[in-house]
Amino acid sequence: EPEVTQTPSHQVTQMGQEVILRCVPISNHLYFYWYRQILGQKVEFLVSFYNNEISEKSEIFDDQFSVERPDGSNFTLKIRSTKLEDSAMYFCASSEVQGFMNTEAFFGQGTRLTVV
Amino acid sequence: ELKVEQNPLFLSMQEGKNYTIYCNYSTTSDRLYWYRQDPGKSLESLFVLLSNGAVKQEGRLMASLDTKARLSTLHITAAVHDLSATYFCAVKVGAGTASKLTFGTGTRLQVTL
Repeated sequence: EPEVTQTPSHQVTQMGQEVILRCVPISNHLYFYWYRQILGQKVEFLVSFYNNEISEKSEIFDDQFSVERPDGSNFTLKIRSTKLEDSAMYFCASSEVQGFMNTEAFFGQGTRLTVV
Repeated sequence: ELKVEQNPLFLSMQEGKNYTIYCNYSTTSDRLYWYRQDPGKSLESLFVLLSNGAVKQEGRLMASLDTKARLSTLHITAAVHDLSATYFCAVKVGAGTASKLTFGTGTRLQVTL
């Protein structure tokens, strides 16, 4: 069964460092998303991406964040200068059709980011 | 701003009992999703509800949607320990490429033996 794959599963970084979280969406999917979940809290939308550009972003997704699809298969989330409050589980998701339609978004297993 | 609220936030129930989790949302939407999350794991899709009055069942779980009341329910029948997890509802907002999911607060379910 096709799945969304994220690497690494856990990343520890020092405050102020740059991190890149990687995702390989399901191969025929065209719509990509990043969500995050601070420990014990709800899942929050960060950004959606289609046709090599951002479709929608939340207020969490400030200038420190960027997304890229560098090679047609990977989808990355970069945090330029990490803060303690960026510590969270980051989920990548992909969808075959826009607006999800009658299918769900498929979520990856997540990357746990710990900023120390 | 869309608000999606679930209750209860925490539910401890005995095996064999029935219970319902509620998901209220504050604005119109044409899609509602239920996800299950085990500790430290990803989000597993359970149900997609597409229209008013939609009801879907899988095993001991049944989900329904009332778009007029902006309410979805997840009913658990004869709970078993394996159902212990956190359950999230999520509402689709926006249209086209600007669509996104807004998640509820989550309900942590603990089924005791």
